[in-house]
Amino acid sequence: DAGVIQSPRHEVTEMGQEVTLRCKPISGHDYLFWYRQTMMRGLELLIYFNNNVPIDDSGMPEDRFSAKMPNASFSTLKIQPSEPRDSAVYFCASSADRVGYGYTFGSGTRLTVV
Amino acid sequence: SQQGEEDPQALSIQEGENATMNCSYKTSINNLQWYRQNSGRGLVHLILIRSNEREKHSGRLRVTLDTSKKSSSLLITASRAADTASYFCATERETSGSRLTFGEGTQLTVNP
Repeated sequence: DAGVIQSPRHEVTEMGQEVTLRCKPISGHDYLFWYRQTMMRGLELLIYFNNNVPIDDSGMPEDRFSAKMPNASFSTLKIQPSEPRDSAVYFCASSADRVGYGYTFGSGTRLTVV
Repeated sequence: SQQGEEDPQALSIQEGENATMNCSYKTSINNLQWYRQNSGRGLVHLILIRSNEREKHSGRLRVTLDTSKKSSSLLITASRAADTASYFCATERETSGSRLTFGEGTQLTVNP
């Protein structure tokens, strides 16, 4: 398996533009998580899915953020409109089991909003 | 309150020495996990210890868990320059389902 695949690796966009981040989890993993990492706030859980269903989106900062998982092999995180304070590294992770075999993280998308 | 606080924030040692990092948490947990993050990369799962376990080993890694003190430690023995990275503890709380809460991490630098 190629692991969790995120795209793009880097994204630079202007304030006000729509940004879409993509994630392909490991095949067979039931859980998918979106995290955001910044120097100031560390790693924050934004939302997670179980069997493609959003379970907890309480970490999504604002209505400008939305996430979907249309099938077991694909998820998107969308920011519309983007703002400079959204600049961060966004990680997707997947996990096979609720009891906890650990998460497998993607390499992240470094988002810069100018 | 913050779950998963690592101590120290930064640690610098010489190659061959042991490195110990600590993690404290506040609520009851199902398990505690340690991850490593190299600069510019994603996190990599190192080891998981369940709440009914006290110690676990994996290669040069040794993890302890003291649920009465709500603390854990990660020991890396015979460190190598390649161990230079940030190390995070993460807790799966009893009440949080399967989601993990990460601490702020310890930056470990191993000097050759």
